[in-house]
Amino acid sequence: KNQVEQSPQSLIILEGKNCTLQCNYTVSPFSNLRWYKQDTGRGPVSLTIMTFSENTKSNGRYTATLDADTKQSSLHITASQLSDSASYICVVRKGDDKIIFGKGTRLHILP
Amino acid sequence: NAGVTQTPKFRVLKTGQSMTLLCAQDMNHEYMYWYRQDPGMGLRLIHYSVGEGTTAKGEVPDGYNVSRLKKQNFLLGLESAAPSQTSVYFCASSYLDRQGDIQYFGAGTRLSVL
Repeated sequence: KNQVEQSPQSLIILEGKNCTLQCNYTVSPFSNLRWYKQDTGRGPVSLTIMTFSENTKSNGRYTATLDADTKQSSLHITASQLSDSASYICVVRKGDDKIIFGKGTRLHILP
Repeated sequence: NAGVTQTPKFRVLKTGQSMTLLCAQDMNHEYMYWYRQDPGMGLRLIHYSVGEGTTAKGEVPDGYNVSRLKKQNFLLGLESAAPSQTSVYFCASSYLDRQGDIQYFGAGTRLSVL
């Protein structure tokens, strides 16, 4: 079954700290993997997109990794800021067809 | 450049009423999508369109209809609203680039069906 599982469901950290969010998938055939940030009351916004051959991709303080062999991805946030409080959604595209969304990780940054 | 615009932002319906949600994009994207987002669940695809005049069913199409008469607009209709359709609805559009498609989302429509 094609699934995208994210962990943890929620995470609370202090401002300035680093954190890592996990995404495991069983989607096949794999096309690409995206991380989105969704602020409360807003639509998701793309952070990174990674294809099979890419291991690491950075976008400012966000760094995504992909291990296509183990079907795992992580999103690392460095020096967190209050504005990082949001839901982070992992999305995997299956071949040329279906896009499968994870349920997201809710991140809370405390001052 | 407004991106993806959804109207209305909020709506309350009574069971059995009908309504249309409008999505407009100004990025000349071919692909457009309607999703619903419910607590504890990932975004689920309702219907999508790969070009003007085309529509296709997604994961949860029952109770919804769509139309794509113009490339920039994608309409989602509820003919007879049910409480189970209480949700937040997101429209998205996309293009294909060398890295694959990136979806651009609207701000969402929060719908309550009483």
